Amino acid sequence: NAGVTQTPKFQVLKTGQSMTLQCAQDMNHEYMSWYRQDPGMGLRLIHYSVGAGITDQGEVPNGYNVSRSTTEDFPLRLLSAAPSQTSVYFCASSSGRGAGYTFGSGTRLTVV
Amino acid sequence: KNQVEQSPQSLIILEGKNCTLQCNYTVSPFSNLRWYKQDTGRGPVSLTIMTFSENTKSNGRYTATLDADTKQSSLHITASQLSDSASYICVVSATPWGTDKLIFGTGTRLQVFP
Repeated sequence: NAGVTQTPKFQVLKTGQSMTLQCAQDMNHEYMSWYRQDPGMGLRLIHYSVGAGITDQGEVPNGYNVSRSTTEDFPLRLLSAAPSQTSVYFCASSSGRGAGYTFGSGTRLTVV
Repeated sequence: KNQVEQSPQSLIILEGKNCTLQCNYTVSPFSNLRWYKQDTGRGPVSLTIMTFSENTKSNGRYTATLDADTKQSSLHITASQLSDSASYICVVSATPWGTDKLIFGTGTRLQVFP
């Protein structure tokens, strides 16, 4: 089925560990983005990309890294996990400005 | 400061009843307003997108309205079903430069009981 695929669905990390959250889409969307969702808050933008080789910071980029080597993939790297990064992470893609967004099913990350 | 506020925070209704969710926003420059449905443990799914010139848009039993003058939107759900139990998120898009900047509300959690 076409859409946005995120892996893993659940992850527990120890403080200081690093990991990569995977995101892939098969809709040939140029625009991809990462959000985090915390209780009582709206989704917040971490990083986004408007095409392969182009990335930029969102509202809460600290502690996260991204790269976009292909149109399909947009991985999110946690460099040194902290308890404050405990959250649900969503990847989304869009065909461009003003278009609808397709979200993945999320990765629930717990940092202990 | 760009903000999107939704009310109520939570709502319980009986199956078959109608309900209306509210969204107020202060976002500039305004590009469009979106409503999303998010089931527990899933990602948001788009229901409607409205631009400045549109005051109503429907998607099945979901009807969204937009008053750009008062900066208010509502989502009306008709003849609710158990499957409507979810969080409904209002999202306003600002487009100060080439890409959309989405400002998310915190959502209204709707529970539909039989």
